[in-house]
Amino acid sequence: AQSVTQLGSHVSVSEGALVLLRCNYSSSVPPYLFWYVQYPNQGLQLLLKYTTGATLVKGINGFEAEFKKSETSFHLTKPSAHMSDAAEYFCAVSGSFNKFYFGSGTKLNVKP
Amino acid sequence: GAVVSQHPSRVICKSGTSVKIECRSLDFQATTMFWYRQFPKQSLMLMATSNEGSKATYEQGVEKDKFLINHASLTLSTLTVTSAHPEDSSFYICSLKGGRETQYFGPGTRLLVL
Repeated sequence: AQSVTQLGSHVSVSEGALVLLRCNYSSSVPPYLFWYVQYPNQGLQLLLKYTTGATLVKGINGFEAEFKKSETSFHLTKPSAHMSDAAEYFCAVSGSFNKFYFGSGTKLNVKP
Repeated sequence: GAVVSQHPSRVICKSGTSVKIECRSLDFQATTMFWYRQFPKQSLMLMATSNEGSKATYEQGVEKDKFLINHASLTLSTLTVTSAHPEDSSFYICSLKGGRETQYFGPGTRLLVL
């Protein structure tokens, strides 16, 4: 079975500060892992994904995430937050039959 | 990536009526589509897997007679919420399967049942 846990439903950072959003997963098969961003009343936009290969994955808008198998983690980071990064972020794992399982989401607030 | 549209983007209906939501793949032939529901301040919950030309597969706890899914072509899947009630008010999002490593999401449909 697959599941995702996102620690921290709300994260607040200052503009220019490091962004760290945490994601831990559980998977009975080698995981494919994803981070999506959602702006209010909109669908999901893919930030980045890990399938195989390099464990440090770079995505759009300066985000990156590192797959750590030993820690079953896939935390999302960005060195310097921008006001436009304020949104809700979802971590997801892909399991059998291509089903995606989402974490509960983390709302990122960026303070000026 | 594939472009997915949903119609309508938002709908308000009276309790007891049925509402149909369309999910279209504009540039990709999708044999499989997924329907999710997202309650306020919550995550996306998979409702069902929609397979072209066959019956949908519903997740545990989702009433198949209440949420009718039709996937009649490779570019269109519909979700009909029958006899909608206020507790069905939610954000409904579809996606299409692009492989185990990819799903393409629609913009969502906001349903409000009065």
